[in-house]
Amino acid sequence: AQSVTQLDSQVPVFEEAPVELRCNYSSSVSVYLFWYVQYPNQGLQLLLKYLSGSTLVKGINGFEAEFNKSQTSFHLRKPSVHISDTAEYFCAVREYGNKLVFGAGTILRVKS
Amino acid sequence: DTEVTQTPKHLVMGMTNKKSLKCEQHMGHRAMYWYKQKAKKPPELMFVYSYEKLSINESVPSRFSPECPNSSLLNLHLHALQPEDSALYLCASSHRQGALGEQYFGPGTRLTVT
Repeated sequence: AQSVTQLDSQVPVFEEAPVELRCNYSSSVSVYLFWYVQYPNQGLQLLLKYLSGSTLVKGINGFEAEFNKSQTSFHLRKPSVHISDTAEYFCAVREYGNKLVFGAGTILRVKS
Repeated sequence: DTEVTQTPKHLVMGMTNKKSLKCEQHMGHRAMYWYKQKAKKPPELMFVYSYEKLSINESVPSRFSPECPNSSLLNLHLHALQPEDSALYLCASSHRQGALGEQYFGPGTRLTVT
């Protein structure tokens, strides 16, 4: 079974500062990776996905992630965060049958 | 329309009640999913339906009974739940179970079992 490790449970950052949320996955033959965001009391919204091709993936709301096969990582970055980015972020890997396995989540707290 | 809708938004039920959660999508997706999310935890897969047939059951207790009456609708019937079943129940859908691509999530039903 595949697994995902999100290395930080909480990341505090000031508004307009850059941020990186870290995600490592267990190795597999083919890897399909996703980042989802969950705002308080809401469902999950897809930020971006890596299925194949370019290792730099751009998503919504100015987020991007880089797939690094040698380091088995898929870190999420944003060059300048806003208060509205405060949310919980989940990294996920696709398993057999399109089952998603999620990491434990990282709470991003943006301070003014 | 890329929306998955779920009703009700909130549900409080006693341990002897029978209730149902409903999920609907009109994106033509043929795979639908139920997830359970406890507070401060990631979502955990419960069931997968593919072409209206149950494809995956992640060893969920029988007090949770899924149903897929048609390709747009997914229900989760609840009976004799325990307080530890209190959680956010999320529904999701995707094009096909075997296809690459994302799952679209609904806003969830927050269930409290008293």
